[in-house]
Amino acid sequence: EAQVTQNPRYLITVTGKKLTVTCSQNMNHEYMSWYRQDPGLGLRQIYYSMNVEVTDKGDVPEGYKVSRKEKRNFPLILESPSPNQTSLYFCASSPPTGFYNEQFFGPGTRLTVL
Amino acid sequence: EDKVVQSPLSLVVHEGDTVTLNCSYEVTNFRSLLWYKQEKKAPTFLFMLTSSGIEKKSGRLSSILDKKELFSILNITATQTGDSAVYLCARRDSNYQLIWGAGTKLIIKP
Repeated sequence: EAQVTQNPRYLITVTGKKLTVTCSQNMNHEYMSWYRQDPGLGLRQIYYSMNVEVTDKGDVPEGYKVSRKEKRNFPLILESPSPNQTSLYFCASSPPTGFYNEQFFGPGTRLTVL
Repeated sequence: EDKVVQSPLSLVVHEGDTVTLNCSYEVTNFRSLLWYKQEKKAPTFLFMLTSSGIEKKSGRLSSILDKKELFSILNITATQTGDSAVYLCARRDSNYQLIWGAGTKLIIKP
């Protein structure tokens, strides 16, 4: 089944404890992206990647890191999480064929930083 | 400012009503406009619009884009409780990025 998977789905952690949220897609998509979703703010892009070893900042990259060593994986790293990073996070991917394609979303990761 | 604005922010109607959700944007140079439905989980794709004036339709849902007036609408006729969700629109720019609106929360009462 074609899908985007994220792990963990739920995470409660404490301030300053490094964490990684994994994202993997099995559709051979070149484009991958991370979003956070907060009430009233919609989806805000954190980082995106057009291809392997190519990553760029989105609208709200502060406090996050990403890597794209393989096409299928795009992990999101919080080196020192803070309470303002409590949010719902989505990973998404798109086919490489230009601008006229939908994004496929993972199931989301609900992160709480105490 | 370069943003996507959705209205209303929330809407409560009764089953069987017709609703119109709005999405306006502020740039003319973009590639496509997308609509998604989100029900307590990941957004799911509804429509992609690239040409002005051409209606996309799927069952009771339809959408159209007006590139001159810089807006899109999503219509849902004969609403059902299963239509309750947050509806998101996003503009895909020429740099391939998606700029998202904050969403319209639609509640359908039985």
